[in-house]
Amino acid sequence: IVMTQSPDSLAVSLGERATINCKSSQTVTQSSSAMSNLTWYQQKPGQPPKLLIYWASTRQSGVPDRFVGSGSGSDFTLTISSLQVEDVAVYFCQQYFTTPWTFGQGTRVDIK
Amino acid sequence: QVQLLESGPGPLKPSETLSLTCTVSGGSIDGGTNYWTWIRQRPGQGLEWIGYIYNTGSAHYNPTLKSRINMSGETSKSRLSLTLTSVTAADTAVYYCARSKSEARGVIDSWGQGTLVTVSS
Repeated sequence: IVMTQSPDSLAVSLGERATINCKSSQTVTQSSSAMSNLTWYQQKPGQPPKLLIYWASTRQSGVPDRFVGSGSGSDFTLTISSLQVEDVAVYFCQQYFTTPWTFGQGTRVDIK
Repeated sequence: QVQLLESGPGPLKPSETLSLTCTVSGGSIDGGTNYWTWIRQRPGQGLEWIGYIYNTGSAHYNPTLKSRINMSGETSKSRLSLTLTSVTAADTAVYYCARSKSEARGVIDSWGQGTLVTVSS
């Protein structure tokens, strides 16, 4: 499954909303449960990725509620409702609907 | 809280074999509750799933790398190993050891810091 993110990069003013899109080449939503096998990670320079969201919309423990995941089927969105300085990073989506697990190419988020 | 620490070789030359280890603390590498995963990231690029091992003896690999990979686990030392044969410059990357829980296989909730592997003639 090919994961495609858009845009490749974006710059948002502090306190404003940042929206990242992720599209899969086929559905990653289970027909039996309607659960979507889709995660979002945040990666800062020199660090490993950090899990933010899984099942498309469930926040990992400790992740601020300004990070919101949504979507189903093959179209997903990560929204940062009010961008903070510490949110500057690259964000990746990943599908785990089937192996090989695959990642989007990443979206770089900066401060405008 | 599981912690993972990768260790690897110095620079490699093309056609050599890459051997990496990952020491795990705070979690069992056998028992089937965790899927121990290897992921790599080429310089300035995205993430590539290499494969996972569970119960120390069962593994599942990325088809693009399957012919060159072997993963194993050594329970007594809480250590995981990754071997990649016939390396080329395209295998230059940061290699991460990571964990995915069995109840959400594919959700990678713990990552090592990664180890940079350089392949150059």
